[in-house]
Amino acid sequence: QKEVEQNSGPLSVPEGAIASLNCTYSDRVSQSFFWYRQYSGKSPELIMSIYSNGDKEDGRFTAQLNKASQYVSLLIRDSQPSDSATYLCAVDGGLGSSNTGKLIFGQGTTLQVKP
Amino acid sequence: NAGVTQTPKFQVLKTGQSMTLQCAQDMNHNSMYWYRQDPGMGLRLIYYSASEGTTDKGEVPNGYNVSRLNKREFSLRLESAAPSQTSVYFCASRDRAVDTEAFFGQGTRLTVV
Repeated sequence: QKEVEQNSGPLSVPEGAIASLNCTYSDRVSQSFFWYRQYSGKSPELIMSIYSNGDKEDGRFTAQLNKASQYVSLLIRDSQPSDSATYLCAVDGGLGSSNTGKLIFGQGTTLQVKP
Repeated sequence: NAGVTQTPKFQVLKTGQSMTLQCAQDMNHNSMYWYRQDPGMGLRLIYYSASEGTTDKGEVPNGYNVSRLNKREFSLRLESAAPSQTSVYFCASRDRAVDTEAFFGQGTRLTVV
């Protein structure tokens, strides 16, 4: 089992729709969670970070964390063609974790927003 | 403010050759990372350095070595390159003490023929 898992997609949504991206992780002690966006041929760039259970909103983006279910998601409202990219989930192990100090990424989900 | 700088940006090696990828950050971050990215595989951690003077293996360390030269610099060495090491390599740094996100270099596209 991979430590951080995402559906590779592609996830295709029409312009203006809500895109929902999901990520599960195996290390129950994980403390910090990040969503990155990566355009083709470019470096990853941070979209959202989340550390506590619940929702965190930033503009059109909402990150959701459920530590009991070991699940983190990213919602993109009013999706735009410019949102078409690969979205990477990253998890950092907390103190006491076998992954302390590591930042582990999922395989990424490709999102296509169609005009 | 340069952030994270990787050199070179592109490299072609013959099987069996060696090379070192350089990475430097100017953000005074304590943690640094090397990843490789292959199509459909996301970013896989090769090695990381949680703080100056320490290095640890990640998910795919075989065939690589690293050196944390000082707080700014973290290099990745391929001693005997193999075609399976053809990939895009990213260096990243992070201030884990305050739990910030990781900042990435522009990547090195390596081809081993």
